[in-house]
Amino acid sequence: EIVLTQSPGTLSLSPGERATLSCRASQSVSSSDLAWYQQKPGQAPRLLIYGASSRATGIPDRFSGSGSGTDFTLTISRLEPEDFAVYYCQQYGRSPFTFGPGTKVDIK
Amino acid sequence: EVQLVQSGAEVKKPGESLRISCKGSGYSFTSYWITWVRQMPGKGLEWMGAIDPSDSYTNYSPSFQGHVTISVDKSISTAYLQWSGLKASDTAMYYCARLAGQYSSSQPIDYWGQGTLVTVSS
Repeated sequence: EIVLTQSPGTLSLSPGERATLSCRASQSVSSSDLAWYQQKPGQAPRLLIYGASSRATGIPDRFSGSGSGTDFTLTISRLEPEDFAVYYCQQYGRSPFTFGPGTKVDIK
Repeated sequence: EVQLVQSGAEVKKPGESLRISCKGSGYSFTSYWITWVRQMPGKGLEWMGAIDPSDSYTNYSPSFQGHVTISVDKSISTAYLQWSGLKASDTAMYYCARLAGQYSSSQPIDYWGQGTLVTVSS
């Protein structure tokens, strides 16, 4: 099973600042089969990024993904008030399709 | 519009059986895998398994294999998650979701249901 580790656990930032979230895999993720999701309290998660770097439909371009192999990054270029949430990475290249533990981005 | 509508919240006692449902609409139900994701209170997301609605082929996480059953009734575009003996530790929100891209399970999740809260308590 591929184990995903996310860092930091919590990121405290102000609106307008840049957020950099990390996701590290215990084994190489095949074909960059890595996604990022955003979850707000009381809501289902929402797909942001798939294939490590492709934005899902309707996702603003302030969200970007990068990386390959075992190291992946989600960057939010300028935080908007609605971006404060929990972010999860998931690998879907090898079953079981595991999630990382999440990074909470909260308001400083 | 793609929609996944889940059944309502449930309160059960340990040892009881339960089946929750997820009805898909707005797309070809048999062309996209359905997956189930658990979220325990205040915790992260856990991938439980997935099913191909076209032939009911299932793929379970080892962590959930043998404790839950995923099934589908394609005639009514509905997927199910079932327990035969609930435990208190099954208390969680359960999401059904659609895997993006047709005919493959190695896909991200593009649409989510609203979640079904299951509470198991004596």
